[in-house]
Amino acid sequence: DIQMTQSPSTLSASVGDRVTITCRASQSISSWLAWYQQKPGKAPKLLIYKASSLESGVPSRFSGSGSGTEFTLTISSLQPDDFATYYCQQYNSYLWTFGQGTKVEIK
Amino acid sequence: EVQLVQSGAEVKKPGESLKISCKGSGYSFTSYWIGWVRQMPGKGLEWMGIIYPGDSDTRYSPSFQGQVTISADKSISTAYLQWSSLKASDTAMYYCVRLYGSGSYYSDYWGQGTLVTVSS
Repeated sequence: DIQMTQSPSTLSASVGDRVTITCRASQSISSWLAWYQQKPGKAPKLLIYKASSLESGVPSRFSGSGSGTEFTLTISSLQPDDFATYYCQQYNSYLWTFGQGTKVEIK
Repeated sequence: EVQLVQSGAEVKKPGESLKISCKGSGYSFTSYWIGWVRQMPGKGLEWMGIIYPGDSDTRYSPSFQGQVTISADKSISTAYLQWSSLKASDTAMYYCVRLYGSGSYYSDYWGQGTLVTVSS
């Protein structure tokens, strides 16, 4: 299985901060990476697919980059609605795996 | 509007059987893979398996192979996840997802989740 490692596990930030979350794959997954946002008690929501493509309706302050084994999710200016847990997921094959999640907390 | 609507929360005893459902609407149900994802209390997301309702082609994560059964009834646009004998460790939220792509697929729509509680 391809292992996905996210860092950090928890991130404390203030409104307006630039936030970066990293996801590393145990082997190359090309650009087959998605990012999801999950708020407490809710289903995850797709933010980014194919490493850097913004899902329709997602604010442009979210961006993704990377290929191969190193990927990042960046929030350019953190908003109150962005405090949540973020997951990366590789879909290089049907044996998908998720990262362990990064919780973005209010500082 | 694409929607995946899951069946309601369940409380079961160890050893009981269970089948939960996920009804798709707003798109061609037979043309997209449907997947199931587990989230244990306070934990992350785990992919369980997928089914193509058009021909019932089904694939399981090795971690869940033999533990659950995924099926679909295309006549009513509904996918299912079932257990023959529940364990306390099956207590979790279960999400169905629609998969989008060609060759490589990501989850573009998620159901609201079904909470399964297994307790004696």
